[in-house]
Amino acid sequence: DAGVIQSPRHEVTEMGQEVTLRCKPISGHNSLFWYRQTMMRGLELLIYFNNNVPIDDSGMPEDRFSAKMPNASFSTLKIQPSEPRDSAVYFCASSPSGAMDYEQYFGPGTRLTVT
Amino acid sequence: GENVEQHPSTLSVQEGDSAVIKCTYSDSASNYFPWYKQELGKRPQLIIDIRSNVGEKKDQRIAVTLNKTAKHFSLHITETQPEDSAVYFCAASIGDDKIIFGKGTRLHILP
Repeated sequence: DAGVIQSPRHEVTEMGQEVTLRCKPISGHNSLFWYRQTMMRGLELLIYFNNNVPIDDSGMPEDRFSAKMPNASFSTLKIQPSEPRDSAVYFCASSPSGAMDYEQYFGPGTRLTVT
Repeated sequence: GENVEQHPSTLSVQEGDSAVIKCTYSDSASNYFPWYKQELGKRPQLIIDIRSNVGEKKDQRIAVTLNKTAKHFSLHITETQPEDSAVYFCAASIGDDKIIFGKGTRLHILP
């Protein structure tokens, strides 16, 4: 298995532009997570899906952020409009569902820079 | 809300010495406590985990201990090596599918 795949790996954009980050989870995994990592705030959970359904989006910073999971093999995180404070590394992770299966497998991350 | 506190934020130890990182959690229902290691520029990866039905788990040079009464757990690395230099994150489970991470500890192994 190729593991969790994220694209793009790096994104540089200007303030006000729309940014779309993409994630392909490991096949067979039913849970998908989006995290944001910064030096100041560490690893923050933004939203997670179980069986393609958003379960908890309480970590989404504001209405500029939205996430979708149209099928079991694809998810997007969109920021519109982007702001310089959105600059961070965004990780997608997936895990098998189940009462005791909690290990999360992280993708390589997308480093976003908003100028 | 649920919270995981991690200390210290930075730790420097001499190569060969031991390193200890400590975490506390707030949700008494938490029952799964993983530790992730993140090398510079890389993704976090699970290195060891412990479930609430055991108090200690060991895997070669790393061990975790859990005190459910006090709601704290620790990572112990013995005989540290240069490749142990990284950021380490503790986490605690919330509900069935979610974990919350601590802020991380940057571990430096000094030659």
